[in-house]
Amino acid sequence: DAGITQSPRYKITETGRQVTLMCHQTWSHSYMFWYRQDLGHGLRLIYYSAAADITDKGEVPDGYVVSRSKTENFPLTLESATRSQTSVYFCASSPDRGKNGYTFGSGTRLTVV
Amino acid sequence: QKEVEQNSGPLSVPEGAIASLNCTYSDRGSQSFFWYRQYSGKSPELIMFIYSNGDKEDGRFTAQLNKASQYVSLLIRDSQPSDSATYLCAVLPSGGYNKLIFGAGTRLAVHP
Repeated sequence: DAGITQSPRYKITETGRQVTLMCHQTWSHSYMFWYRQDLGHGLRLIYYSAAADITDKGEVPDGYVVSRSKTENFPLTLESATRSQTSVYFCASSPDRGKNGYTFGSGTRLTVV
Repeated sequence: QKEVEQNSGPLSVPEGAIASLNCTYSDRGSQSFFWYRQYSGKSPELIMFIYSNGDKEDGRFTAQLNKASQYVSLLIRDSQPSDSATYLCAVLPSGGYNKLIFGAGTRLAVHP
């Protein structure tokens, strides 16, 4: 399917476990982003990537790791999940730095118990 | 720290009325401004963007930008119950950190 897809849609994991959220886009967009959305905080940038093998931290990177070996994929890994990482995670992409906005995936709702 | 501020609402308007949503931003050099609509449990969807001072109209939606006062607004004419959603304002700031910064959103409720 064309577009940007995230998996899984829902995930429940235990504290301390490693979990990876997947993001795949078919547009060959250079830029990809990971945001988390929490009540009262809105969307906060975790990590972003300007191209394959180029990644950088956003506003709230602690506890997360990203990689981008291929243009189309941008997985987000929680190395040791904590309850404070319970959130809705959105992946987004853009062909440029964002002059025309970003397109978001459908999101992953993660619960850490 | 660059910020985008919105009233969280809820903003309640009757069907057929004009809904006015406002947003202020702190970075005077910001270049591009966006309005996203987010239905409950769904992802944000881009509905409008504006770059220049003044108004930009698209169907029932009008985005207004005033860079001198550092605010951007979204007007929704002839509001419908299907417009009930959270509206996120996003700003592309100037300088090295040119990633979209989002406000926390305003919840709009359109009642019949």
